Amino acid sequence: GDSVTQMEGPVTLSEEAFLTINCTYTATGYPSLFWYVQYPGEGLQLLLKATKADDKGSNKGFEATYRKETTSFHLEKGSVQVSDSAVYFCALSGSARQLTFGSGTQLTVLP
Amino acid sequence: DADVTQTPRNRITKTGKRIMLECSQTKGHDRMYWYRQDPGLGLRLIYYSFDVKDINKGEISDGYSVSRQAQAKFSLSLESAIPNQTALYFCATSPSGTTEAFFGQGTRLTVV
Repeated sequence: GDSVTQMEGPVTLSEEAFLTINCTYTATGYPSLFWYVQYPGEGLQLLLKATKADDKGSNKGFEATYRKETTSFHLEKGSVQVSDSAVYFCALSGSARQLTFGSGTQLTVLP
Repeated sequence: DADVTQTPRNRITKTGKRIMLECSQTKGHDRMYWYRQDPGLGLRLIYYSFDVKDINKGEISDGYSVSRQAQAKFSLSLESAIPNQTALYFCATSPSGTTEAFFGQGTRLTVV
């Protein structure tokens, strides 16, 4: 079945550091890929998405590229801020038309 | 007001009790979902519904039941709560033809 493997956390960075959170997936066919973010005490919000190979999703300075050859969708940001502290979830939607989530990565950004 | 509203936000209940978690949405989406979040496990799908007459089991449906009372309402029941059902529960919706999900703020359930 479909699965998502996400970089284990927690991740702690200083403000303005470069962020990478790794995500790889297993799925049949051509899934859509997503990154969701969960701020403390809140539900998940869609951060960005990509629906086909080589697409790049971007939002709020975050980017991720759909790499079919490596089955990856790594999240990157060039300069993190304290306000980016949250839990980040990689997810896919495959042939079953359901979202399958990774385990989440806790990011803490220190001033 | 939130587009996806969950009630209650927090609940403590005793082992063996029946409890219902409610979800309502104003987004007009056909599809609704219930997820459970546990530390280190991400979100796992309990049940989902693609329209009022469609109910499907997810990955971890044992011990849970659902009711889709209307397009806008989808409730989750624990018939006889047990401590390992202590978790954060999320309702989500999505439009037909897409799985881009919109989440409620969650219900923190503690079973003692």
